[in-house]
Amino acid sequence: GAVVSQHPSWVICKSGTSVKIECRSLDFQATTMFWYRQFPKQSLMLMATSNEGSKATYEQGVEKDKFLINHASLTLSTLTVTSAHPEDSSFYICSARKGTGVQPQHFGDGTRLSIL
Amino acid sequence: GDSVTQMEGPVTLSEEAFLTINCTYTATGYPSLFWYVQYPGEGLQLLLKATKADDKGSNKGFEATYRKETTSFHLEKGSVQVSDSAVYFCALSKVTGGGNKLTFGTGTQLKVEL
Repeated sequence: GAVVSQHPSWVICKSGTSVKIECRSLDFQATTMFWYRQFPKQSLMLMATSNEGSKATYEQGVEKDKFLINHASLTLSTLTVTSAHPEDSSFYICSARKGTGVQPQHFGDGTRLSIL
Repeated sequence: GDSVTQMEGPVTLSEEAFLTINCTYTATGYPSLFWYVQYPGEGLQLLLKATKADDKGSNKGFEATYRKETTSFHLEKGSVQVSDSAVYFCALSKVTGGGNKLTFGTGTQLKVEL
């Protein structure tokens, strides 16, 4: 149990376009979903936390208008990178947590985003 | 603020060798501690966890004990396999006013050779 699916796994697009990444919890309801960014050979940097039906909470230094997060249901959150540029190229990983308190996060397989 | 420090990698071992990856943390209160594993090109998988002092988490032959006196959560395995080659992340989590966030260490790459 506790499977999180992320789609697409790899996307290449031109500079200036917008890209949407989906994160789905397949067999549980995710009260909270998280979006991370990982640079090569580095740790995960938390970008934002989203709770179903409410606005996402962004970490300091993360542009809200650049990285749009929608958590429309208990099983789906989306991250849209707007007007993407080469410096946005990275590995983006989502995670989902069921319930509250000290519950473990379950991670998707990540999305490799390459902006040309 | 809270932080997690891991030993730098890569750690290169021969198959069946003993593994230790050190992890220490700095945090107020009583965090929960986790080890996650990331295989190439994939997301993270929860390997094991411990929620209070002296708890031992274990899974797939890996173990880690929550040591509050030394603020450590070292990962160990008695006999590694080539399939254990991956990046291992130590992390802590606390319930705060802003929610329950994970703080990760920088990761330690493990390479196991025949």
